[in-house]
Amino acid sequence: GNSVTQMEGPVTLSEEAFLTINCTYTATGYPSLFWYVQYPGEGLQLLLKATKADDKGSNKGFEATYRKETTSFHLEKGSVQVSDSAVYFCAFITQGGSEKLVFGKGTKLTVNP
Amino acid sequence: EAGVVQSPRYKIIEKKQPVAFWCNPISGHNTLYWYRQNLGQGPELLIRYENEEAVDDSQLPKDRFSAERLKGVDSTLKIQPAELGDSAVYLCASSLAPGQGFGANVLTFGAGSRLTVL
Repeated sequence: GNSVTQMEGPVTLSEEAFLTINCTYTATGYPSLFWYVQYPGEGLQLLLKATKADDKGSNKGFEATYRKETTSFHLEKGSVQVSDSAVYFCAFITQGGSEKLVFGKGTKLTVNP
Repeated sequence: EAGVVQSPRYKIIEKKQPVAFWCNPISGHNTLYWYRQNLGQGPELLIRYENEEAVDDSQLPKDRFSAERLKGVDSTLKIQPAELGDSAVYLCASSLAPGQGFGANVLTFGAGSRLTVL
């Protein structure tokens, strides 16, 4: 069935460290891929998206590339800040009538000064 | 522009009691979703509406959960009676309808309603 597998957390980094959060998906058809972020006490917010193979989504210094051959959408940031501390969710939406957003379990990131 | 508005933010009830959550989506968003997020997990879809029609309610436990979106705008999710395992955050989201352009697959979420069942 449709599913998302994300890197287990929590992840703790020092400020200015490099971040990678791995995400792979299992989906029928050709999904659109997303990263959502949930800051403490807030709702989920869209961070970035990609809709076709080799597309790179980017926002706030974060990037992720749609890799169809490896069914992956890893999130990266070159230099994290304390304000990036949050829970990050990888997700995809199935196409063709079901239009259902499927989420991973989330990865909690803590960035220390 | 106001985002997706949910109420209440927090609710504590005893098991077997009823509870209701309300959601007002972004103006112009025809598609409305209710998700449930258990602690340490990602959100899981309960029901999706296109206007006032529930087009996907396959994951909604219909013995105790019900939802409505009578005028195709705001929506209510009800649990009756609540069980201990219903403790979770209930998220409402909205988006443009499929085929309505670039933003059609982008969901905007509300802050959620945190339910604790004792």
